[in-house]
Amino acid sequence: NAGVTQTPKFQVLKTGQSMTLQCAQDMNHEYMSWYRQDPGMGLRLIHYSVGAGITDQGEVPNGYNVSRSTTEDFPLRLLSAAPSQTSVYFCASSYTGAPLNIQYFGAGTRLSVL
Amino acid sequence: KNEVEQSPQNLTAQEGEFITINCSYSVGISALHWLQQHPGGGIVSLFMLSSGKKKHGRLIATINIQEKHSSLHITASHPRDSAVYICAGTSGSRLTFGEGTQLTVNP
Repeated sequence: NAGVTQTPKFQVLKTGQSMTLQCAQDMNHEYMSWYRQDPGMGLRLIHYSVGAGITDQGEVPNGYNVSRSTTEDFPLRLLSAAPSQTSVYFCASSYTGAPLNIQYFGAGTRLSVL
Repeated sequence: KNEVEQSPQNLTAQEGEFITINCSYSVGISALHWLQQHPGGGIVSLFMLSSGKKKHGRLIATINIQEKHSSLHITASHPRDSAVYICAGTSGSRLTFGEGTQLTVNP
């Protein structure tokens, strides 16, 4: 059972480049979410989804897009990377359509934007 | 003002000590999560609770709904407990996180 799989683990981008962070879960979880973690700050919600076809913005959505075409996948797109997006990104999922159950986290993606 | 606040930010203990980490949260939080982030960066859920108390091994989590306060206790602490402990509150469809408590347990 793979759980929550994030790829890549590390990425270096130049300012203005685009990329997609992948997140997949094999537990048939309804709720999926993306967070960024910066030094001295708690994890902050970027976008979340309560089920396939439904997404919504979190606390810090600017510069990021998401889609949820299947239950399993929840990719995070950076359309034009900026140095302020240098961070560690975590994807998480849980069983119900709201974070009222144990959360399962991916291993994280460490992103540097030069 | 953050919806979820943790204390202390840093905590150093000697092996065997009883440890308490505190979390206060605001109105609108319906459930409280405790997470552990390993030195390597991985995050693991420890507990999710909306009332009462939960125990798993040497870890105990309690919540007082009236006071909007939760505590994570570690009994007989061990160096392998060294990690960042994070509380997070569920509000609607969102999780809001505290800044974390860096725990170091010395042998």
